[in-house]
Amino acid sequence: IQLTQSPSFLSASVGDRVTITCRASQGISDYLTWYQQKPGNPPKLLIYSASTLQSGVPSRFSGSGSGTEFTLTISSLQPEDFATYYCQQLNSYPFTFGPGTKVDIK
Amino acid sequence: EVQLVESGGDLVQPGGSLRLSCAASGFTFNSYAMSWVRQASGKGLEWVSGINHSGGSRYYADSVKGRFTISRDSSNNILYLQMKSLRAEDTALYYCAKARRFGESGIFDSWGQGTLVTVSS
Repeated sequence: IQLTQSPSFLSASVGDRVTITCRASQGISDYLTWYQQKPGNPPKLLIYSASTLQSGVPSRFSGSGSGTEFTLTISSLQPEDFATYYCQQLNSYPFTFGPGTKVDIK
Repeated sequence: EVQLVESGGDLVQPGGSLRLSCAASGFTFNSYAMSWVRQASGKGLEWVSGINHSGGSRYYADSVKGRFTISRDSSNNILYLQMKSLRAEDTALYYCAKARRFGESGIFDSWGQGTLVTVSS
């Protein structure tokens, strides 16, 4: 199962609302996870089952979607949110990740 | 506190072999599925291999099938990745990752810091 993400890169300001899209090459129900990765660090789990917030993750992060189209939204971008975001499907093996979306400071 | 510490990464020639280890602590190791995920420098994440909690089921990415073998030692709480016939494209930082809860396999809530594998002559 192939995953695509758009955009690949986005430049935004603190306080902006940011939306990242992940599309699957076939239906994956809600077996979709979002991770955040900062340089020099391993990925961090943000959202699983497409829309469930991992414990400890700020509520400004939200996820939605089902089937083949999913979105990650950050309602009000904070300085610590500048990072690369990856979606990942776990509907079937082999698990696959999207290519990533880098969120940079405008 | 969950801790995952990878080791075994090294510089190896093409065609060579290497075994990676991931020492786990802070949780009941034999209750959780585990995976290896790699990341080439400046590139995205690639899931490499996964194993269920008991070790009875193992899964691989097409890119490593037949060359890599995942295993686990539940007596010593260690996850392994045996790699053979290594290629330049296997060069990456290899992370070990823990499944979020028993019965799940693909939601990774804890990650190690990674161990670097470089395949070059």
